[in-house]
Amino acid sequence: EAGVTQSPTHLIKTRGQQATLRCSPISGHTSVYWYQQALGLGLQFLLWYDEGEERNRGNFPPRFSGRQFPNYSSELNVNALELEDSALYLCASSLRGYYTDTQYFGPGTRLTVL
Amino acid sequence: AQKITQTQPGMFVQEKEAVTLDCTYDTSDQSYGLFWYKQPSSGEMIFLIYQGSYDEQNATEGRYSLNFQKARKSANLVISASQLGDSAMYFCAMREGPTNFGNEKLTFGTGTRLTIIP
Repeated sequence: EAGVTQSPTHLIKTRGQQATLRCSPISGHTSVYWYQQALGLGLQFLLWYDEGEERNRGNFPPRFSGRQFPNYSSELNVNALELEDSALYLCASSLRGYYTDTQYFGPGTRLTVL
Repeated sequence: AQKITQTQPGMFVQEKEAVTLDCTYDTSDQSYGLFWYKQPSSGEMIFLIYQGSYDEQNATEGRYSLNFQKARKSANLVISASQLGDSAMYFCAMREGPTNFGNEKLTFGTGTRLTIIP
């Protein structure tokens, strides 16, 4: 069974540009989560999508947005990039409706803002 | 206050020895879930083990076991017979509230870097 996939692996942008990160969940999983892992800040929850809707949002500005498509894949958009947006962005997926809602992570997209 | 505390920034352990990674948590919810993940240098977070707050038995998955002490609010990960491939960052995480209740975000600790020495 294929795991969570993310693209691209690496992304280099300059300040002020927009970045788009993509995630495909494990087959059958309907929930997708986005986390940011920045140096010195640890792993922080960004967004949660389920059944095409945004269900929860972390403490991030509105220029961090995303969506979930009918096939449950997801996109994270970061507008007006700032230097501190440089981080590893991890996507996870889970299957809701079971006893445990374990989140399985993808390999991440490393975003560098110059 | 920190929701998840991992007090060991780094640990060095001899190959084949057992190792315990500490994790304490803070929540007022009665229902919650505790997770351990491994992050090798490649960056991917690998799920290791899960413990629900109402589970009476400690969780086990192969060489991994979770020493769950609810009254002390601790959920230590025990790795038996450590291997060189166990060298990685290890994160403890918590989901507050019951499953499927809209609380599915995970709060992570700062991690412990484990190095296995041959």
